[in-house]
Amino acid sequence: KNQVEQSPQSLIILEGKNCTLQCNYTVSPFSNLRWYKQDTGRGPVSLTIMTFSENTKSNGRYTATLDADTKQSSLHITASQLSDSASYICVVSATGGSYIPTFGRGTSLIVHP
Amino acid sequence: NAGVTQTPKFQVLKTGQSMTLQCAQDMNHEYMSWYRQDPGMGLRLIHYSVGAGITDQGEVPNGYNVSRSTTEDFPLRLLSAAPSQTSVYFCASSLSSGSSYEQYFGPGTRLTVT
Repeated sequence: KNQVEQSPQSLIILEGKNCTLQCNYTVSPFSNLRWYKQDTGRGPVSLTIMTFSENTKSNGRYTATLDADTKQSSLHITASQLSDSASYICVVSATGGSYIPTFGRGTSLIVHP
Repeated sequence: NAGVTQTPKFQVLKTGQSMTLQCAQDMNHEYMSWYRQDPGMGLRLIHYSVGAGITDQGEVPNGYNVSRSTTEDFPLRLLSAAPSQTSVYFCASSLSSGSSYEQYFGPGTRLTVT
């Protein structure tokens, strides 16, 4: 069964600090992996997408990495801001067949001033 | 562009009632989908459509109906609401089917069934 596991479940950091969120998956055959940011009461917004051949993808202060061999991804947030407080969701899609992506449960990040 | 819009934002139903959640997009996207988001769980796909007149089931389709008569609209119907359908519902659209296309999500509808 395709699964996406994220850790930690929640994280509290001080403004200006860096943090790294983890995503492990068992989706096969792998097509791509996305990271979404979901603000409270809003829909998810895509941050990055990576395919099998991509190791790193950046979007401003967000940098995602992918190790397709170990089936792990991370999202690194640099110099955190209060506006980074949100849930970060890892989504993995398989190739072929119906397009039914597998969503992780998300990591809830709180940035304190 | 308004993007993806959903109505209503909040809804309370009694068990057994029916209702339709509305979803519209103005980006001329072919692919549209409905998800539900429950506490402690990832988003789960209910139904999706790859174009007007074409719909298919996702992971959790039971108790829900959809139709796609136009490119812009993709309503989700609850036939006979049950407490297990209490959830936040998100509609999403993308230019085409296929996971490489970015999905744009609506703001969500929070549904409570008592």
